[in-house]
Amino acid sequence: KAGVTQTPRYLIKTRGQQVTLSCSPISGHRSVSWYQQTPGQGLQFLFEYFSETQRNKGNFPGRFSGRQFSNSRSEMNVSTLELGDSALYLCASSPDLAPNNEQFFGPGTRLTVL
Amino acid sequence: AQKITQTQPGMFVQEKEAVTLDCTYDTSDPSYGLFWYKQPSSGEMIFLIYQGSYDQQNATEGRYSLNFQKARKSANLVISASQLGDSAMYFCAMREGWGNNNDMRFGAGTRLTVKP
Repeated sequence: KAGVTQTPRYLIKTRGQQVTLSCSPISGHRSVSWYQQTPGQGLQFLFEYFSETQRNKGNFPGRFSGRQFSNSRSEMNVSTLELGDSALYLCASSPDLAPNNEQFFGPGTRLTVL
Repeated sequence: AQKITQTQPGMFVQEKEAVTLDCTYDTSDPSYGLFWYKQPSSGEMIFLIYQGSYDQQNATEGRYSLNFQKARKSANLVISASQLGDSAMYFCAMREGWGNNNDMRFGAGTRLTVKP
C-alpha cells in the first residue's frame, strides 16, 4: 500500500496570503488528522476528519480550516498568513477513530511565511 | 490541561547501551491507547510501539519495549542495545476512547543522542 502523501512538500508564502495543503491518506483509511509542528510549540493538533465530517478541532484561530472529500483525501487552508504560521504541517491517517489505531504520518509540508 | 508529559528534553546514551525515555499521561477514560513515535531529522514520524489500556502485558517490538505502569499512569519507552541510527526525537502520544474529543495528543518530545 502507498503511504500517506502530502503536497506540496515545501512552500514559501508572504504575510497576508493564503495557502492550501493537501493530504492523501492510505487507501482504506477514513480518518485524517492535521498537526502543526514548530520548534517552540511542538506537535499541536489542528483538526481531525472522519467520513467527511470534522470530528475534533484543536485550539487554533478560524484562519485555519479544513475539509475532507468523499475519497478521504483532505485539504487544510490557512488564510491571512502570519509569520508565526511558519511550521511543518503533518497529516496522519488511520482506519477509523478507535483508540488502538496508530496514525500513519505523511512526510509533511514545510511552510515558510516571509 | 497537558495530558502527556515528557520530562526529559534531551537524553544521551552510549552506543549498545539501553535507555529509558519517560512518559506520564493523564486521563479518566478507562479505554485509551498509548503510542511512541520516532522523528529523525528528516521530519517523518515513524510509529514504534503501542500499548492498550486493557493490555495485561507490556508491549514489545524488537529492541523497543514499553514499561506500562497503569496505576502510576506512566508508559516509558525502553530502547535496548542503542544504535547510532536511534538518534532522533521521540514522542509519546495518547488517544482516549471513542468520544468526540479523542484526538491523538502528543508530548513535547525527548531528543535522544546516541554516542559512538
